[in-house]
Amino acid sequence: GAVVSQHPSWVICKSGTSVKIECRSLDFQATTMFWYRQFPKQSLMLMATSNEGSKATYEQGVEKDKFLINHASLTLSTLTVTSAHPEDSSFYICSVTGTSLETQYFGPGTRLLVL
Amino acid sequence: QKEVEQDPGPLSVPEGAIVSLNCTYSNSAFQYFMWYRQYSRKGPELLMYTYSSGNKEDGRFTAQVDKSSKYISLFIRDSQPSDSATYLCAMSTGGGNKLTFGTGTQLKVEL
Repeated sequence: GAVVSQHPSWVICKSGTSVKIECRSLDFQATTMFWYRQFPKQSLMLMATSNEGSKATYEQGVEKDKFLINHASLTLSTLTVTSAHPEDSSFYICSVTGTSLETQYFGPGTRLLVL
Repeated sequence: QKEVEQDPGPLSVPEGAIVSLNCTYSNSAFQYFMWYRQYSRKGPELLMYTYSSGNKEDGRFTAQVDKSSKYISLFIRDSQPSDSATYLCAMSTGGGNKLTFGTGTQLKVEL
């Protein structure tokens, strides 16, 4: 498997500010990382797929200019929520995979509250 | 119709019971089948992973895949209060590919 961390675990910010969430693969070189969001009592919704060194591929309906994803290395991907609004409040979770992994391993999630 | 259907529950069972969780799917291209457990306010944790059809056992957990019926199951034996969580089925067409999730089944194991 793979061990994945996220930072911060929770964040509160004012409307209009930007928030950066980090996803780190601690023991595995992740060629691909995924970003999900999850609303209360709902399943995970894939936002985007990022491959190391390439631009992220966003799912339909996800604004790429609002949710900036950078996958600069095999162990780090970042999600920046720009000009956050209360409707962006959610649980954001990343996952990692790679050529020697047959499925995805998830981070612990980041809870974002926009006031 | 959703690609993956899963009864959201909640499912409440007494401690020690055998729990059966199920998902059905419509995409015959799915080859990889996973069960994740998610505790409240935590990320999903991989429980079981199966490729193609068949059974797989790991401790108290058994995963079954019936591709002919497009039906997968997770059985939990001797259920414990610590098993109380949401169980998500997920599937993909290739290893490491995009996952398609069920809605999750909320399980509560009571003393």
